[in-house]
Amino acid sequence: QSVLTQPPSASGTPGQRVTISCSGSSSNIGSNTVNWYQQLPGTAPKLLIYSNNQRPSGVPDRFSGSKSGTSASLAISGLQSEDEADYYCAAWDDSLNGGVFGGGTKLTVL
Amino acid sequence: QVQLVESGGGVVQPGRSLRLSCAASGFTFSSYGMHWVRQAPGKGLEWVAVISYDGSNKYYADSVKGRFTISRDNSKNTLYLQMNSLRAEDTAVYYCAKILTPGTFTPQQFDYWGQGTLVTVSS
Repeated sequence: QSVLTQPPSASGTPGQRVTISCSGSSSNIGSNTVNWYQQLPGTAPKLLIYSNNQRPSGVPDRFSGSKSGTSASLAISGLQSEDEADYYCAAWDDSLNGGVFGGGTKLTVL
Repeated sequence: QVQLVESGGGVVQPGRSLRLSCAASGFTFSSYGMHWVRQAPGKGLEWVAVISYDGSNKYYADSVKGRFTISRDNSKNTLYLQMNSLRAEDTAVYYCAKILTPGTFTPQQFDYWGQGTLVTVSS
């Protein structure tokens, strides 16, 4: 059972907008920044969003992040087939004194 | 360009030890906190441990506390993970990851990852 809760799966058709949620608590999302990773099959994760809503250079602006209270979400607009991947949220947890990840969401592009 | 190259993985019997290394290049290693993250076969990501840029701060996941030790040698640009008393549930691909912002170590913002090294604990 992951400390951060994500839906196990999400799906959408090309061009659609999809959102993936990440729910935590006051000790993690509520007091620290949320970060999102994309993991394509057989590869290392890639930083997609950091500090709740910042995109590293090279990440398309189709990807956006937001945070409110103890929850966060990742939005992908203009869905493309290459977006099919696993997505993870991550944050530091002040109570655990450690990092925590969500269980991951498998995004399928129909 | 930034490169992180893990090594040291392999098959090990339960209860034995293994030391992973992560050779870093392309950035000022001594300025950045570093993390280990693992992924069991077919499972999600699990944070393992972090060390601050100067090695003065270290934190561990409860699942490895007391068994694993993270360390670094800034003169060699290398990160280590000493794994003792290994269990079957430690079987995973282990990634080293670089923190995005120098001087920090807690934000889970990893801008570079290694390719991973597979550790299999089995008799």
